[in-house]
Amino acid sequence: QLQLQESGPGLVKPSETLSLTCTVSGGSISSSSYYWGWIRQPPGKGLEWIGSIYYSGSTYYNPSLKSRVTISVDTSKNQFSLKLSSVTAADTAVYYCARAHCSGGSCHLGHWGQGTLVTVSS
Amino acid sequence: SYVLTQPPSVSVAPGKTARITCGGNNIGSKSVHWYQQKPGQAPVLVIYYDSDRPSGIPERFSGSNSGNTATLTISRVEAGDEADYYCQVWDSSSDPLYVFGTGTKVTVL
Repeated sequence: QLQLQESGPGLVKPSETLSLTCTVSGGSISSSSYYWGWIRQPPGKGLEWIGSIYYSGSTYYNPSLKSRVTISVDTSKNQFSLKLSSVTAADTAVYYCARAHCSGGSCHLGHWGQGTLVTVSS
Repeated sequence: SYVLTQPPSVSVAPGKTARITCGGNNIGSKSVHWYQQKPGQAPVLVIYYDSDRPSGIPERFSGSNSGNTATLTISRVEAGDEADYYCQVWDSSSDPLYVFGTGTKVTVL
């Protein structure tokens, strides 16, 4: 059974870099059928896609965050990671990692991690 | 960027039918996916490609998509269906690639 687990600091200071890792178990991150992504949800608000990565390293980012986001993959550890630089209080959110399946010209997020709350505060 | 609009809230009595709309320009030409999110939990996919159900999702959940509106229908609503629901599309010609709707809170009376 596929499982995704986010890990990383729950508190980040303003202007610093938020770093999270998603560990995938029960399936290979190198599968050609899937993409891997990050989504966030500020407290009490809706979902926002941050970006996605393919096992080959191809990346796709939300233009609203593109200048601050880096997503990378480590196939040897079955993990992918998120870095968000120059954070502010507006980046406080629950961060989810997820697996995307793409077919027929569309993609959906079939498996999600449990999410991790990251608070930006001094 | 592409915008998906949902009603903020829908209220329904147990046993009745809830319909949640997702409006977007010519959304009928895209595939729509729906997620259920209960408080403190991660979203769960309940409908994909407009009307397909993942394994484990009750047949009470169905979807349709035409024109400028996609609809998630929950038949014979149960107390356990109370949650936030989000629609989502993916478009290679759009930026961002993934767009989520504004979300609808379903309250079971």
